[in-house]
Amino acid sequence: SQTIHQWPATLVQPVGSPLSLECTVEGTSNPNLYWYRQAAGRGLQLLFYSVGIGQISSEVPQNLSASRPQDRQFILSSKKLLLSDSGFYLCAWDRPVTNTGELFFGEGSRLTVL
Amino acid sequence: LAKTTQPISMDSYEGQEVNITCSHNNIATNDYITWYQQFPSQGPRFIIQGYKTKVTNEVASLFIPADRKSSTLSLPRVSLSDTAVYYCLVGGLTYNFNKFYFGSGTKLNVKP
Repeated sequence: SQTIHQWPATLVQPVGSPLSLECTVEGTSNPNLYWYRQAAGRGLQLLFYSVGIGQISSEVPQNLSASRPQDRQFILSSKKLLLSDSGFYLCAWDRPVTNTGELFFGEGSRLTVL
Repeated sequence: LAKTTQPISMDSYEGQEVNITCSHNNIATNDYITWYQQFPSQGPRFIIQGYKTKVTNEVASLFIPADRKSSTLSLPRVSLSDTAVYYCLVGGLTYNFNKFYFGSGTKLNVKP
């Protein structure tokens, strides 16, 4: 069976510090990968998506970046965090062949920037 | 891209049937309709997906009219544990790749 894991689950970072969130998918090959962000009490905002190694598309130009160094690894980064980066970050995957909207989400990483 | 519109919130009581409707007037031919459930501090969880007519699984039913411009998620006999945010997602396989945009969701509050 397929599983998806994110870490860390929670982190508190000062403004201006770097960020690295990691997501790993197991049990499938060549998944489509997504990063979403959810601000408190709000819906999900699509940040990045990837269809393959090294292929990243950005939805929201900002101080965040994403990388996909391996087929089932997706990393969200920032060089200098802003207060507005606080939120609940969710990684998701879906099958490349179907791509109909059946997404599988990780447990999420809650980021608080102080 | 098909934009979705849902009620912001709904209240219900235990044991009742709940119907949540989503409008998606500019749905494309290739688009599927998918519903998710999200509890606080958790990732959304897939509930049901359909293309047209009616789909039923062990937890819900999805009704899609012929014009596909709306869809209704039906939850039979809700319990307190069904209190969550429900999202309607519209998207499908395009010539290349499809990005999935979630709407604001419907916050369902089930009362005892």
